[in-house]
Amino acid sequence: GQNIDQPTEMTATEGAIVQINCTYQTSGFNGLFWYQQHAGEAPTFLSYNVLDGLEEKGRFSSFLSRSKGYSYLLLKELQMKDSASYLCAVRDYDRDDKIIFGKGTRLHILP
Amino acid sequence: EPEVTQTPSHQVTQMGQEVILRCVPISNHLYFYWYRQILGQKVEFLVSFYNNEISEKSEIFDDQFSVERPDGSNFTLKIRSTKLEDSAMYFCASSPGLAGAVGELFFGEGSRLTVL
Repeated sequence: GQNIDQPTEMTATEGAIVQINCTYQTSGFNGLFWYQQHAGEAPTFLSYNVLDGLEEKGRFSSFLSRSKGYSYLLLKELQMKDSASYLCAVRDYDRDDKIIFGKGTRLHILP
Repeated sequence: EPEVTQTPSHQVTQMGQEVILRCVPISNHLYFYWYRQILGQKVEFLVSFYNNEISEKSEIFDDQFSVERPDGSNFTLKIRSTKLEDSAMYFCASSPGLAGAVGELFFGEGSRLTVL
């Protein structure tokens, strides 16, 4: 089976840095995704990790440790528009490569 | 930029009625998906579709649900007899490929289904 855990809610201040953690258990790990979802909207792709290490893309970075079943999304120089839910998702090759989502972390940005 | 389009954006129906949600995936994509999100809850996998057949489905996707690709562009989700608990946002997604590719999902804007 699959299990994806991430904090339900987090709060951070505009201009600061926040790290959103995700742990997962899956039999056939084949990549981890981070998506952003604003309320009432569709998820949008942020990042993808399949090998260990850090992937940087502008203000956002994502890290993966396959041996620990752990990832984090790092958001720098937070802006008010970053207030959203951040969804950790895992692809499982034992399940025909379907992508399964965690419950998401709702991030609140304070001015 | 190509995008996944879904219709209707919002549908209200009576319990027991049939509903068809429509999607036009990105034209050169090969893999198609339906996900749903009950208000305030997580995005849940329903079904994946490849090469004109279902490749994987979840326990949610019971006999009341079916998918079809009736022509080269549309991908539909049918709910035969809707229940109150089917009220949710239904997202269609497509992906260009799997092998050797990122395989990220491109989501449509969603169809909000309200069952009364």
